[in-house]
Amino acid sequence: EVQLVESGGGLVQPGRSLRLSCAASGFAFNDYAMHWVRQAPGKGLEWVSGISWNSGWIGYADSVKGRFTISRDNAKNSLHLQMNSLRTEDTALYYCAKDMGLGELSPDFDFWGQGILVTVSA
Amino acid sequence: EIVLTQSPGTLSLSPGDRATLSCRASQSVSGSALGWYQHKPGQAPRLLIYGASIRATGIPDRFSGSGSGTDFTLTITRLEPEDFAVYYCQHFGNSPPYTFGQGTKLEIK
Repeated sequence: EVQLVESGGGLVQPGRSLRLSCAASGFAFNDYAMHWVRQAPGKGLEWVSGISWNSGWIGYADSVKGRFTISRDNAKNSLHLQMNSLRTEDTALYYCAKDMGLGELSPDFDFWGQGILVTVSA
Repeated sequence: EIVLTQSPGTLSLSPGDRATLSCRASQSVSGSALGWYQHKPGQAPRLLIYGASIRATGIPDRFSGSGSGTDFTLTITRLEPEDFAVYYCQHFGNSPPYTFGQGTKLEIK
């Protein structure tokens, strides 16, 4: 059974940093791209960042480019999102999602975690 | 940047009804890059349809996707109580690589 469990969220002041993690199990983690998707309160889904299976491709939404850094540790089946210079508009539920494509980036995310809340407030 | 516009914003129907949800792209897109997700409060989003019309694993056949070019549709025949949720279409492109529509809320009438 595929499981994605996010951790590291919480309340942080504007301008500070936070690091999210996603522990993956139940599939060959090192064969799939992974993504972070967020949902701000009362808003829809927004793709934040993605990373290919071997970290050869990394992408970011314009809204977080230069502030957030995605990484993965295939030996530990874990995905991370380092969030710096946080803004109030980064407040959201952050989901870790598995790409459906084996060995390549695909259009679809077939498994998602339950999400972790990040609140940026003074 | 491709913008996905979903309509209606809210759809009020009863169990047993048929639901038709629309997703319109700001320019022509490949159907292979268009998917649909279901999202319920407090739950993880669920992939329903990929490649515009292919049901994901375990998705009941009352869910179907269709369309091409700029106009795509998610149809749910014979609504079940568990189908009331928010539905998003998603596109895979260049920059940004992934775009979601703003969502359609399917609520019980």
